Amino acid sequence: DTEVTQTPKHLVMGMTNKKSLKCEQHMGHRAMYWYKQKAKKPPELMFVYSYEKLSINESVPSRFSPECPNSSLLNLHLHALQPEDSALYLCASSQDLPKGSYGYTFGSGTRLTVV
Amino acid sequence: AQSVTQLGSHVSVSEGALVLLRCNYSSSVPPYLFWYVQYPNQGLQLLLKYTSAATLVKGINGFEAEFKKSETSFHLTKPSAHMSDAAEYFCAVSDGNTGGFKTIFGAGTRLFVKA
Repeated sequence: DTEVTQTPKHLVMGMTNKKSLKCEQHMGHRAMYWYKQKAKKPPELMFVYSYEKLSINESVPSRFSPECPNSSLLNLHLHALQPEDSALYLCASSQDLPKGSYGYTFGSGTRLTVV
Repeated sequence: AQSVTQLGSHVSVSEGALVLLRCNYSSSVPPYLFWYVQYPNQGLQLLLKYTSAATLVKGINGFEAEFKKSETSFHLTKPSAHMSDAAEYFCAVSDGNTGGFKTIFGAGTRLFVKA
């Protein structure tokens, strides 16, 4: 299995809602990532987990809360989002940190719309 | 600080023509360099990577890239474009020396292929 699976593929939520994005991989990768991508822009790093521990938080607002329950799963909990948070949220995984020589395997993303 | 600059936000070629997408990097340490491709409404897919083993790197779908330290460049080429190559291409850089693992993406180049 060489895939990263993200659910849901599309999500529409109100500004008072609480929702979660899910990401799963079974490649034995020990590093997992959340990226945010706005239209016609490159992905921007949000969070990095290494061996289920948060290793990088790119000063992301607290309305985004990551969680890594085990080595195969990564969640992103959303609460009180703003319309400007609408974007494609990408999950990725790679072999272990800190060597940066391993490329990422990306999921197909969750298209989030905040209304 | 590391960065990559992609020259040209849009490149248009005819089917069968040479594809050349330009990328220059800035890094204070030997970099790891990557090219990713993104098709509409999908995640990113790793095309190829440079990790200092060889300066000419071959990737998937007939793409290759050459690392030139003297020019701080890592341009992506393909001898003959196919219609299916039309997509967004991102150059990216990371290093393994900071204790973390950040991959920084360039702004992207949209490749158009004309019949």
